[in-house]
Amino acid sequence: KQEVTQIPAALSVPEGENLVLNCSFTDSAIYNLQWFRQDPGKGLTSLLLIQSSQREQTSGRLNASLDKSSGRSTLYIAASQPGDSATYLCAVRYDRGSTLGRLYFGRGTQLTVWP
Amino acid sequence: DVKVTQSSRYLVKRTGEKVFLECVQDMDHENMFWYRQDPGLGLRLIYFSYDVKMKEKGDIPEGYSVSREKKERFSLILESASTNQTSMYLCASSPYLTGAKGTQYFGPGTRLLVL
Repeated sequence: KQEVTQIPAALSVPEGENLVLNCSFTDSAIYNLQWFRQDPGKGLTSLLLIQSSQREQTSGRLNASLDKSSGRSTLYIAASQPGDSATYLCAVRYDRGSTLGRLYFGRGTQLTVWP
Repeated sequence: DVKVTQSSRYLVKRTGEKVFLECVQDMDHENMFWYRQDPGLGLRLIYFSYDVKMKEKGDIPEGYSVSREKKERFSLILESASTNQTSMYLCASSPYLTGAKGTQYFGPGTRLLVL
């Protein structure tokens, strides 16, 4: 069974801090890994997608890294802002060669950035 | 932009009622998914479909059925709603394409309360 774990479950920080959110997965034979953001009561928005052949992806203040051998990914948020407050979900895709693209999700890290 | 819409944001039903949750996507995606999201449990896959009239069970199909008569529409059916089906229901779609274009796009969710 493919399991995806996210630590911590919740994080509360003052504005301006640099943050690291962690994601680990049990099966290292992944196809790609994605980080999503979910605002309260809303759907998920894709932030970054890292292919298994890549080490990291960057978008603005966000940087996601992937270490397949250790089964880990981190999402780094620089200079956090109150608008970053949301739940961040990590999702792993394993089905190389399949067109379905099933994702396995972690339970998320609930981030609160206070002014 | 890809748009995935769900018929209701909030729904209140009584135990034993038959409930229909509708999802429509406008990007001609082949794959569609239904998840439920509960606190502490994360997203769990209920059913998915990779083509019209095709469906596959996810991890928690019990008590649910689905219908996909048209490519753009994927319906989740609760045959006889029970209180333990109170949850947030999220629909997603994705194209057959692999790689970065194979991400899933989520709807805003339907929060269902079964009394």
